[in-house]
Amino acid sequence: DTAVSQTPKYLVTQMGNDKSIKCEQNLGHDTMYWYKQDSKKFLKIMFSYNNKELIINETVPNRFSPKSPDKAHLNLHINSLELGDSAVYFCASRPSGGDSVAQYFGPGTRLTVL
Amino acid sequence: SQQGEEDPQALSIQEGENATMNCSYKTSINNLQWYRQNSGRGLVHLILIRSNEREKHSGRLRVTLDTSKKSSSLLITASRAADTASYFCATDFQGAQKLVFGQGTRLTINP
Repeated sequence: DTAVSQTPKYLVTQMGNDKSIKCEQNLGHDTMYWYKQDSKKFLKIMFSYNNKELIINETVPNRFSPKSPDKAHLNLHINSLELGDSAVYFCASRPSGGDSVAQYFGPGTRLTVL
Repeated sequence: SQQGEEDPQALSIQEGENATMNCSYKTSINNLQWYRQNSGRGLVHLILIRSNEREKHSGRLRVTLDTSKKSSSLLITASRAADTASYFCATDFQGAQKLVFGQGTRLTINP
């Protein structure tokens, strides 16, 4: 009954490959996010979806494509992986109901590109 | 950059002591939030303070917000070994619909 879950937890792949990370939340939240945390622990937002619609797209290379088949799922597909994509990727969600609400984070997916 | 800054980057104290972490930011905010991240885990929300609030308490946590100085502090009283983690402040900017995180303070509680 994990609130925000991600699969896989670890992903090791070769440069140039295409990979996907999946995220699901069972909290009934309308808004979901993808964040990237680099080796220095700096956490930066990548994308945000509200009710399956993209509302935030930071300056992320277009090799990254999020997809939200329904409001409980937000997947991240990455094409032509590069060494610099190695990081921990976190999915998060939050309820609607104003601006002052917390976000709930998944456990993270550690991506290593060789 | 809108990114907040945290101070100190690392803090090591003895169990039972109080730990204080500071966060500064650059633009107007709706609220400021503090999160904890244990090693290898996701972030966990600790406390949220709105822009019109000056102080907030939750258990052993005390957060202050000074919007004139664009700064916040998180105080953990009577620290425990289980408080060892990284602590992040995150600012929710007006109309931005996103959180901007600082780089975190790595807190170590020594038994």
